[in-house]
Amino acid sequence: DQQVKQNSPSLSVQEGRISILNCDYTNSMFDYFLWYKKYPAEGPTFLISISSIKDKNEDGRFTVFLNKSAKHLSLHIVPSQPGDSAVYFCAARVGGGADGLTFGKGTHLIIQP
Amino acid sequence: EAGVVQSPRYKIIEKKQPVAFWCNPISGHNTLYWYRQNLGQGPELLIRYENEEAVDDSQLPKDRFSAERLKGVDSTLKIQPAELGDSAVYLCASSTRTGGGRYGYTFGSGTRLTVV
Repeated sequence: DQQVKQNSPSLSVQEGRISILNCDYTNSMFDYFLWYKKYPAEGPTFLISISSIKDKNEDGRFTVFLNKSAKHLSLHIVPSQPGDSAVYFCAARVGGGADGLTFGKGTHLIIQP
Repeated sequence: EAGVVQSPRYKIIEKKQPVAFWCNPISGHNTLYWYRQNLGQGPELLIRYENEEAVDDSQLPKDRFSAERLKGVDSTLKIQPAELGDSAVYLCASSTRTGGGRYGYTFGSGTRLTVV
């Protein structure tokens, strides 16, 4: 039973356009959400996070939106660049502190020139 | 500052053989995690340590997997004996106590295990 779902295994976007990656969750106890980026043969790298008390967090080209009523979050990348091509994982945590993360299966983002 | 260091990067073993993975977390990070990532899946938590204490090992297959974190710093994950289904990437991560944002949940590069 997957608690964090990324329903798009892959996404292709033209360079300079907006990339939107989606994530749904089923556990209403999740209160902290993170996005990770992963290149082949490397570990996941932290990208951006959001607490459940917020509905938006922005960091440069990256913005995460959280819709708690729909149990949905999305990552927007504007503008998309070739270096953004990677696998993006959505992750969630229950409670405060350093609890373990529950990950989605990932979305492979391909930025086309 | 060095990140989370894991070794070896790659390991190929025959089934029924033992194997061990090593992790050195970021200095000052009290919490250490071992995750397993199967092909086409996201990482799944195996065990979490707070200092030297395993506080969440509910997902660790205890019949063949074991882990230790002596002195609350480095950690070792062991599989004995390995099975074909254990082929995966084993990721170590460390975190501050708050586990938040850019300064928490830092992952190592992982160990890719292939069991033949």
